[in-house]
Amino acid sequence: KAGVTQTPRYLIKTRGQQVTLSCSPISGHRSVSWYQQTPGQGLQFLFEYFSETQRNKGNFPGRFSGRQFSNSRSEMNVSTLELGDSALYLCASSLPTTDEQFFGPGTRLTVL
Amino acid sequence: GENVEQHPSTLSVQEGDSAVIKCTYSDSASNYFPWYKQELGKRPQLIIDIRSNVGEKKDQRIAVTLNKTAKHFSLHITETQPEDSAVYFCAAKSSGTYKYIFGTGTRLKVLA
Repeated sequence: KAGVTQTPRYLIKTRGQQVTLSCSPISGHRSVSWYQQTPGQGLQFLFEYFSETQRNKGNFPGRFSGRQFSNSRSEMNVSTLELGDSALYLCASSLPTTDEQFFGPGTRLTVL
Repeated sequence: GENVEQHPSTLSVQEGDSAVIKCTYSDSASNYFPWYKQELGKRPQLIIDIRSNVGEKKDQRIAVTLNKTAKHFSLHITETQPEDSAVYFCAAKSSGTYKYIFGTGTRLKVLA
């Protein structure tokens, strides 16, 4: 089975712009979670989607949003980018019946 | 709110020695505790997990222990090898939610 994939792998944006990141889960996985990883902060939970519905949300401002499509692929959007949004954005997928998460390689976002 | 504290932030051991990483969680409803290994430039990989109805779990050189009363869980690596060098993250998930709270990570260095 193919693993979780994320596109693009690297992205450079400037302050004030917006960005959309994409995540394709493992086939059959319907839950997709998003995390922000920064040095010293570890992985911080952004949100989780299942069957196109957001079930949980972390403590991030409304500039961070996401959605999930009927094929379980998910996107996250960050509007009005700030320097502090520079991070590795990871998504993870899991089966409906288990808690085990499988991570994608991440998208490295740099905001200048 | 939910919180997971992880210690130490860095750990250096001689090859062949044991390494112990400790985590404390705050939400008493937490019932699933995974550990991830992240090598430089790579995605986090699940190495072992434990559920709240189990006190200890082993997989070859890796073991995890859970003390629900104290809200502590620990990762034990025996006979460490240079390839064990990586950043290790603990996490906790509460029943009825789809939100994983991660610790801030431990950078383990195994010295040959």
